[in-house]
Amino acid sequence: GAGVSQSPSNKVTEKGKDVELRCDPISGHTALYWYRQSLGQGLEFLIYFQGNSAPDKSGLPSDRFSAERTGGSVSTLTIQRTQQEDSAVYLCASSLYRGDTEAFFGQGTRLTVV
Amino acid sequence: GNSVTQMEGPVTLSEEAFLTINCTYTATGYPSLFWYVQYPGEGLQLLLKATKADDKGSNKGFEATYRKETTSFHLEKGSVQVSDSAVYFCALYGGNYGGSQGNLIFGKGTKLSVKP
Repeated sequence: GAGVSQSPSNKVTEKGKDVELRCDPISGHTALYWYRQSLGQGLEFLIYFQGNSAPDKSGLPSDRFSAERTGGSVSTLTIQRTQQEDSAVYLCASSLYRGDTEAFFGQGTRLTVV
Repeated sequence: GNSVTQMEGPVTLSEEAFLTINCTYTATGYPSLFWYVQYPGEGLQLLLKATKADDKGSNKGFEATYRKETTSFHLEKGSVQVSDSAVYFCALYGGNYGGSQGNLIFGKGTKLSVKP
């Protein structure tokens, strides 16, 4: 596609429910990142996929968070048993190779847990 | 681990003023350094980058020099415009050296407002 696509753009969910956020990276990009952007907190790294290597999950805040990347393309970030503190904008980015090439960001998914 | 620290905002300047946004980093090995910008209502986009010591990245009148001796990558612009109002993020890619994280790490962002 023309850019990184994320869906949904907005999601309101009840506390305790599970949510899935989707990211379609730019075709051919081997690196994919998930970040969380909270008001006043900048970009918090969550997880990084690079080609067929094991993902770097070091940023996931709890075991309620998981992500997968199927076929080296589409990625899904899953949050189980959502809490109000999970409310944030979730950003996905992809880059052609590793992180020293330009990362292209999607518009994000704004998650609100009520 | 790797980290990026940038000056807290918000920063408010008048048009044509000189801009500096400070950024320092901690990293193992030889990171690449970036400035990303987020204009109101838009996604993050790369502004400039430098991949080795003493390199200068530049774009749209903005400049930043990779200073290994001071572990800094300060963003500067000689004369800001209203259209430069945005949030600026300093970022680091640490590669895969000696156990450092091979991911793209961002600072907290600095909001710049330029008044006419």
